[in-house]
Amino acid sequence: DTAVSQTPKYLVTQMGNDKSIKCEQNLGHDTMYWYKQDSKKFLKIMFSYNNKELIINETVPNRFSPKSPDKAHLNLHINSLELGDSAVYFCASSQDWASGQETQYFGPGTRLLVL
Amino acid sequence: SQQGEEDPQALSIQEGENATMNCSYKTSINNLQWYRQNSGRGLVHLILIRSNEREKHSGRLRVTLDTSKKSSSLLITASRAADTASYFCATDGVETSGSRLTFGEGTQLTVNP
Repeated sequence: DTAVSQTPKYLVTQMGNDKSIKCEQNLGHDTMYWYKQDSKKFLKIMFSYNNKELIINETVPNRFSPKSPDKAHLNLHINSLELGDSAVYFCASSQDWASGQETQYFGPGTRLLVL
Repeated sequence: SQQGEEDPQALSIQEGENATMNCSYKTSINNLQWYRQNSGRGLVHLILIRSNEREKHSGRLRVTLDTSKKSSSLLITASRAADTASYFCATDGVETSGSRLTFGEGTQLTVNP
């Protein structure tokens, strides 16, 4: 009965590889997000989708491509991984992006280590 | 530049004491939220305070908001060892579309038994 789930939990890979992280929410929310948390715990938004449409796209290298097959899923594909991509990636969801006053529910995170 | 800045960066107290964490931000906001992150886990929402509110309570938590000073504080009363975690403030700015949260750097709280 996990609300926001991510797979995998840990990902160790070589530089230059392509990898995907998956996120699913069973809360019936319309909006989903990807955040990156660096080694100093600074959390920064990367993308947001509302009902499968991209609404927030921060200054993120185009090696990162989100995909939302339906409003319950938001996946993140990363091409040509670099050392600096090592971080914890969090997925989150909220009920209604337009209200601007909804809390966000976070997944457990995916710890990516690029060697 | 980063929206939220938190103070202190780290706080260590004894069980039973109160813990106060502060957050400052730079732009006008719709609301400010506090989240907790236990080590190795995701963030958990604690409390949301809207821009027209000055104080809010939830259990042992008390949040204040001063929009004239662009600052907020989170008070945890009668702390417990289980309160040990990182605490983040996050602002939802009026100039942004949708629910775009900008997080502070966090305060690492350690409650010693």
